[in-house]
Amino acid sequence: DAGVIQSPRHEVTEMGQEVTLRCKPISGHDYLFWYRQTMMRGLELLIYFNNNVPIDDSGMPEDRFSAKMPNASFSTLKIQPSEPRDSAVYFCASSTSGGNNEQFFGPGTRLTVL
Amino acid sequence: GEDVEQSLFLSVREGDSSVINCTYTDSSSTYLYWYKQEPGAGLQLLTYIFSNMDMKQDQRLTVLLNKKDKHLSLRIADTQTGDSAIYFCAGLYSSASKIIFGSGTRLSIRP
Repeated sequence: DAGVIQSPRHEVTEMGQEVTLRCKPISGHDYLFWYRQTMMRGLELLIYFNNNVPIDDSGMPEDRFSAKMPNASFSTLKIQPSEPRDSAVYFCASSTSGGNNEQFFGPGTRLTVL
Repeated sequence: GEDVEQSLFLSVREGDSSVINCTYTDSSSTYLYWYKQEPGAGLQLLTYIFSNMDMKQDQRLTVLLNKKDKHLSLRIADTQTGDSAIYFCAGLYSSASKIIFGSGTRLSIRP
């Protein structure tokens, strides 16, 4: 398996623009997680899905952030409008229920908002 | 809420042992994990321990779990330059099926 795939790997945009981050989880995994990592706040869980249904979005910072999972193999995280304080590395991870519940992380998308 | 705490930095000499400590609050965590993050990469599971175990050893890695004190530690024997990374302690928040991560400990190796 190719692992969790995220795109783009790097995104530079200007304040006020819409940003869409994409994730393809590992096939067969029924959980998908979106995290944000910054030096100041560390690793934050933004939202997670189970069987394509959002379970907990309490970590989403503002209404400017939204996430969707239209099917088992694709998820998006959208920021509209983007602000400089959104600059961070965004990770997607997936896991399967049962076993040790290991989460497999993608390589991340480094977002810079100017 | 549930929380996992660990120190932010650790510096050790090459060849010495590294010990990274962590405390957690969720006593119902069934699994406790150590993840490793190398520069520019995502987190990767290094090792884990089931809550009914006190110790787990895997080559140079030793995990100790003290459930009474809710304390988890990771010992890396014979630390090498390739061990430089951020190490995250984490616990499975089983009632919500999500993993709670600590802030990460940045391990640096000096010659």
